[in-house]
Amino acid sequence: KQEVTQIPAALSVPEGENLVLNCSFTDSAIYNLQWFRQDPGKGLTSLLLIQSSQREQTSGRLNASLDKSSGRSTLYIAASQPGDSATYLCAAPTGANNLFFGTGTRLTVIP
Amino acid sequence: NAGVTQTPKFRVLKTGQSMTLLCAQDMNHEYMYWYRQDPGMGLRLIHYSVGEGTTAKGEVPDGYNVSRLKKQNFLLGLESAAPSQTSVYFCASSWIAGEQYFGPGTRLTVT
Repeated sequence: KQEVTQIPAALSVPEGENLVLNCSFTDSAIYNLQWFRQDPGKGLTSLLLIQSSQREQTSGRLNASLDKSSGRSTLYIAASQPGDSATYLCAAPTGANNLFFGTGTRLTVIP
Repeated sequence: NAGVTQTPKFRVLKTGQSMTLLCAQDMNHEYMYWYRQDPGMGLRLIHYSVGEGTTAKGEVPDGYNVSRLKKQNFLLGLESAAPSQTSVYFCASSWIAGEQYFGPGTRLTVT
């Protein structure tokens, strides 16, 4: 069974700081990895999908990397803003694209 | 293009009552999923479908049934609700091995 761990569970940073969120997974036989954002009381918004053949994927101020051999992925957020405050989830699939989720990192960006 | 929609948004049930949650997607995705999200547990897969007329069990299927009679719809049923089924339920859809898109969620309370 795939197990996904996210560290830290919570992170508080001042506005403008660059930051890294970490995700580790136990089963490296994945074909992609997905990062999501969840605002309180809301659904999940897909941020980035990294295919197993890629090492990183970028969207605006976000950059996600994937190292299958070590079972790790990172989400880098540049020049953080208060609007980035949310919980960030990573998810790794097995089988029929069934996602296993970490419990998330709750990010607070202080103005 | 509405993406993934869920009905209802909120529901309160008494123990032993039944209900059906409806998920609809307009992206012509083959795969559809039902997850539940509980505090401290993250999201866990209940059931999934890899095409019209197919269903399969996920990580936590007990107490739930599903049906996929039409490609665009995936129904989740609770035959006899229990307090342990109090949760937020999310539906998602994707192409084969592709990015998953999530609905806004249904908040269910069983008293």
